[in-house]
Amino acid sequence: ILNVEQSPQSLHVQEGDSTNFTCSFPSSNFYALHWYRWETAKSPEALFVMTLNGDEKKKGRISATLNTKEGYSYLYIKGSQPEDSATYLCARVTKAAGNKLTFGGGTRVLVKP
Amino acid sequence: DVKVTQSSRYLVKRTGEKVFLECVQDMDHENMFWYRQDPGLGLRLIYFSYDVKMKEKGDIPEGYSVSREKKERFSLILESASTNQTSMYLCASKATGYNEKLFFGSGTQLSVL
Repeated sequence: ILNVEQSPQSLHVQEGDSTNFTCSFPSSNFYALHWYRWETAKSPEALFVMTLNGDEKKKGRISATLNTKEGYSYLYIKGSQPEDSATYLCARVTKAAGNKLTFGGGTRVLVKP
Repeated sequence: DVKVTQSSRYLVKRTGEKVFLECVQDMDHENMFWYRQDPGLGLRLIYFSYDVKMKEKGDIPEGYSVSREKKERFSLILESASTNQTSMYLCASKATGYNEKLFFGSGTQLSVL
């Protein structure tokens, strides 16, 4: 994988259902992976910053895992609510890139009541 | 409350005009970034700055320049606006460190006619 890729590009979830989606990235030269949530008409906000292989982070009903050896991270939403509707962005930081974050295309989540 | 402020939420300009997008942060961050967001392409880095008067090209710098005369302010300049620069522009800042998260402004939706 040459770039940061997110799949699917969009998904519709019924309220109350759980869902998950993927961020894939080159495993070489890895330093950190960021997850951001971007709600319509608002600024993107950081959810998690993950650095270690096997890291798991949790914030309310949202959690994330990280596999740096195979180059992927999963974001999970448990019991989706309408307020979870947003675009979720992941970004990779490499040692070579200094402070630069390279973003994936995002996964747009729409939770239907 | 920490803040990244972008001068305009919506902007309409004519082809060939010189356009200035301003960004101010109040967190004393060393690093500031300009991204553009286009559907399906995620956030793409245009330029970033790691100190006053210091700048580095991002992934898509063509047609843009930047200015950072003061630590809190980072300006994006479109020397001669073109229709393919119609996009959402996001400014962000962060402290130095790979684990430090980005703080975003609310974005400027620029339309070039």
